[in-house]
Amino acid sequence: RKEVEQDPGPFNVPEGATVAFNCTYSNSASQSFFWYRQDCRKEPKLLMSVYSSGNEDGRFTAQLNRASQYISLLIRDSKLSDSATYLCVVLYSSASKIIFGSGTRLSIRP
Amino acid sequence: DGGITQSPKYLFRKEGQNVTLSCEQNLNHDAMYWYRQDPGQGLRLIYYSQIVNDFQKGDIAEGYSVSREKKESFPLTVTSAQKNPTAFYLCASSKWDRGFGAFFGQGTRLTVV
Repeated sequence: RKEVEQDPGPFNVPEGATVAFNCTYSNSASQSFFWYRQDCRKEPKLLMSVYSSGNEDGRFTAQLNRASQYISLLIRDSKLSDSATYLCVVLYSSASKIIFGSGTRLSIRP
Repeated sequence: DGGITQSPKYLFRKEGQNVTLSCEQNLNHDAMYWYRQDPGQGLRLIYYSQIVNDFQKGDIAEGYSVSREKKESFPLTVTSAQKNPTAFYLCASSKWDRGFGAFFGQGTRLTVV
């Protein structure tokens, strides 16, 4: 079983739709969680951190469920510019190891 | 400006050659990482280092080697033992003890010719 698993997609949704991704992790010792965005042929960039209390940044909301060992990303009122691959990231502080999910591809259509 | 720099951006290697990819950061981050990404795939961890003069193998270390002689630098050598080296290589750094997210360089595209 992979340490971090994501639905690869692709998700193809119309502009203005709400879309959600989930990501599961296997190691309960995981400490920190993040969502990254990667555009085609570019490096990943930090989108947002994920906290147990949940956090929101504009149209983006991230949630962490430690009991069920998953994190989620919700995008509201999606824009064409949201088309990208979204990577779930888990940091094991004790090992200083960062594990990436394989990414979920999102395509927003006009 | 602080950041993480990879060079070169594009690299061509003949079969049987070793090549070294550079990664430098001036963010004062403790941890550095190397990932490989194949087309349409996620990132796979090659090597990582928490402190100077120490590094650990990731999931796909075979055919690669690294060194961490300085905090700022974490070069990756792709050896001739790596049978399929053509890929996009990404270097990242993070301040691990605070759980900060990792920041990436712009990547190196390596092609075997």
